[in-house]
Amino acid sequence: QQPVQSPQAVILREGEDAVINCSSSKALYSVHWYRQKHGEAPVFLMILLKGGEQKGHDKISASFNEKKQQSSLYLTASQLSYSGTYFCGTEIAGGSTLGRLYFGRGTQLTVWP
Amino acid sequence: DAMVIQNPRYQVTQFGKPVTLSCSQTLNHNVMYWYQQKSSQAPKLLFHYYDKDFNNEADTPDNFQSRRPNTSFCFLDIRSPGLGDAAMYLCATSGDRIETQYFGPGTRLLVL
Repeated sequence: QQPVQSPQAVILREGEDAVINCSSSKALYSVHWYRQKHGEAPVFLMILLKGGEQKGHDKISASFNEKKQQSSLYLTASQLSYSGTYFCGTEIAGGSTLGRLYFGRGTQLTVWP
Repeated sequence: DAMVIQNPRYQVTQFGKPVTLSCSQTLNHNVMYWYQQKSSQAPKLLFHYYDKDFNNEADTPDNFQSRRPNTSFCFLDIRSPGLGDAAMYLCATSGDRIETQYFGPGTRLLVL
């Protein structure tokens, strides 16, 4: 039930773009994206509900393709503050698992000046 | 500010000695979750409460128990900690099951 994230790690220069992917073998109700800095709690970025929506704020956006059970997080013109580990959390559609988030193994993003 | 608070931030215990971690929230959220996160791994859901309704994950060891005496507080009890239980324990809350989860700062547990 754990989603698969790719890539495992990304190294960027400030101002460059990155895409992080999350895919599941199960039909999904929603996808949640979090960023976690070392030694800190995960911080919520955005939630995408089924319906194929795309969301974004500032220079971080995400899409959700419910037919493919895939979501992508787009970081444009990256800043130093974007460094951290990005996790997708997936909520499986239907049944007793509603409300449970299953997290991917994370993508470690490092932005250099 | 409304928030999720975890105490203590760091906990050292001895092998086999029971330990309790606490979580409180001022968000008045219905749902509270406990996750275990080991180094460089994803958070793993242990269990969650929807109001007073307890929901255990199938693969959560019996060694882990939880209590939720009221809306604001939730406790994680580890009855006989083993070396493999050393991890960061994260508490999260959400208004409802399909809503955003807000995480506390975590308690890092060390087992000697």
